[in-house]
Amino acid sequence: SQKIEQNSEALNIQEGKTATLTCNYTNYSPAYLQWYRQDPGRGPVFLLLIRENEKEKRKERLKVTFDTTLKQSLFHITASQPADSATYLCALAGGRGGGNKLTFGTGTQLKVEL
Amino acid sequence: NAGVTQTPKFQVLKTGQSMTLQCAQDMNHEYMSWYRQDPGMGLRLIHYSVGAGITDQGEVPNGYNVSRSTTEDFPLRLLSAAPSQTSVYFCASSRGTAGELFFGEGSRLTVL
Repeated sequence: SQKIEQNSEALNIQEGKTATLTCNYTNYSPAYLQWYRQDPGRGPVFLLLIRENEKEKRKERLKVTFDTTLKQSLFHITASQPADSATYLCALAGGRGGGNKLTFGTGTQLKVEL
Repeated sequence: NAGVTQTPKFQVLKTGQSMTLQCAQDMNHEYMSWYRQDPGMGLRLIHYSVGAGITDQGEVPNGYNVSRSTTEDFPLRLLSAAPSQTSVYFCASSRGTAGELFFGEGSRLTVL
């Protein structure tokens, strides 16, 4: 069955450093991958989408890579700020076996300290 | 724009009771979906719809019913609530099946 893995342990980094979060998947060949941010008690908010034929995508301080050979996506936040503290979710859909269903990982909590 | 609106925000039910979680969106999105979020389990898809009159099952559909009579509304019905349905429920919509999802603020349901 399809499996999406994100590091369940919280990632603690210092302000100004680059945060790197990992999303690995197995038994799946998604057509695209999305990243979301979720704050406590709130719904997830879309950040970036990257397609299977794209290696990298950037948006302001955010960068996402998508390696379909390694079956992995990396999510980077450069010059991190305390306001970046949240849980980050990756989600995959499309491709073989995916169809219309967006499947989410369990998320990684990021804490940016002063 | 209000985006995706969910009601109620909080609800406590007794085992066996029924209720409907409401979801409405004002973005004219064709695709709508319901997820539940539990600690350590992530977001799991319950049901989804690609347009009015069309619904399909997600990963965890048992115990839930949906219908889509209009583009705007996608209610989720619990016919006979069970403690295992205690969770936070999120409704989401998107322009197409591959687009970004817009989520509501969630409905926290407790079944005693």
